[in-house]
Amino acid sequence: GDSVTQMEGPVTLSEEAFLTINCTYTATGYPSLFWYVQYPGEGLQLLLKATKADDKGSNKGFEATYRKETTSFHLEKGSVQVSDSAVYFCALSGGGGSNYKLTFGKGTLLTVNP
Amino acid sequence: DAGVIQSPRHEVTEMGQEVTLRCKPISGHNSLFWYRQTMMRGLELLIYFNNNVPIDDSGMPEDRFSAKMPNASFSTLKIQPSEPRDSAVYFCASSPGQGTTPSYGYTFGSGTRLTVV
Repeated sequence: GDSVTQMEGPVTLSEEAFLTINCTYTATGYPSLFWYVQYPGEGLQLLLKATKADDKGSNKGFEATYRKETTSFHLEKGSVQVSDSAVYFCALSGGGGSNYKLTFGKGTLLTVNP
Repeated sequence: DAGVIQSPRHEVTEMGQEVTLRCKPISGHNSLFWYRQTMMRGLELLIYFNNNVPIDDSGMPEDRFSAKMPNASFSTLKIQPSEPRDSAVYFCASSPGQGTTPSYGYTFGSGTRLTVV
């Protein structure tokens, strides 16, 4: 079945550092890929998405490119802020499974220190 | 738009008691999802409703869990009897359209943190 693997956390960075959170997936067909962010005490919010190979999703300075050849969707940001501290989830839908179902990775906790 | 509203935000109950979690989806959204989040298993889909009808309940862990959607603006997830291993954060999410993919908008509530002692 579909699965998502993302790098284990926690990740601790200083403000203005470069961020990469790795994500790889296993799916049949052509899934859509997502990054969700969960701030403390809140629900998940869609951060960015990509629906086909070579698409780049971007939002709030974060970017991720859908790489079908490496089955990856790594999240990057050039300069993180303290306010980016949160848990980040990579997810997919519409692979071999149902279109409506999101399959999530385990999440990566990011802490940004001033 | 008030978003997806879940209640209560926190629930502490004793083992064996019945627990009911509530969700109000976004008006006009006709797909509703219940997810469970635990440290061990991450986020898992429990059940999916479309137009108030359960479409996929394959993620419901066992008969102690039941979910209903009596109308387009309300859903419940019930656990009876509750057990300590049910302790988790339960999220409700809604999205527009039938058979929609999350690409079209999938909004999560803030969750209910359930602790069973």
